[in-house]
Amino acid sequence: DAGVIQSPRHEVTEMGQEVTLRCKPISGHDYLFWYRQTMMRGLELLIYFNNNVPIDDSGMPEDRFSAKMPNASFSTLKIQPSEPRDSAVYFCASRQTSNTGELFFGEGSRLTVL
Amino acid sequence: AQSVTQPDIHITVSEGASLELRCNYSYGATPYLFWYVQSPGQGLQLLLKYFSGDTLVQGIKGFEAEFKRSQSSFNLRKPSVHWSDAAEYFCAVGGDSSYKLIFGSGTRLLVRP
Repeated sequence: DAGVIQSPRHEVTEMGQEVTLRCKPISGHDYLFWYRQTMMRGLELLIYFNNNVPIDDSGMPEDRFSAKMPNASFSTLKIQPSEPRDSAVYFCASRQTSNTGELFFGEGSRLTVL
Repeated sequence: AQSVTQPDIHITVSEGASLELRCNYSYGATPYLFWYVQSPGQGLQLLLKYFSGDTLVQGIKGFEAEFKRSQSSFNLRKPSVHWSDAAEYFCAVGGDSSYKLIFGSGTRLLVRP
């Protein structure tokens, strides 16, 4: 199995620009999670989906952040406009309902906003 | 409130020495507990998990963890550390009624040759 695939691995952009991060979950997994990792705040859950439907977006920091999952094999996390404080590593993870709790993580997208 | 505390930010051990990483949790229901490892530039990989039953669980790479309900702890152990174990370790808690995992702040393990 290919694992969770994220792109891009690294993104450097300027403040005010739109950023789109992409994720392909493991085939057959019905849950998808977006996490953000920073030195100051550790791993924070931003949003998660079940069967492509957003279930809990209470972790999304503000309206500049949005996430979609148009189908079972693709999700995006968009930041518009981006700010320097959005600099972080963004992880996508997926899991199956039958495999309680175990998340499979992608390698992350490191975002730097100048 | 649900939370996970990893009191040690950094731990340094010599190669071949034993290791214990501490994890304490606060969770209102029956907890599901996990340890993940993150190597530099990589995502998190599951080491082991506890749902129920035997409170001593075995994981990959020779790690084990013991669930102690009375102490709200789930400490990770390894009898003999290898240089390749240098990484960051995260404890996490979830529950059967929640699909969210709450992660601790992590412990960075350094291994002396």
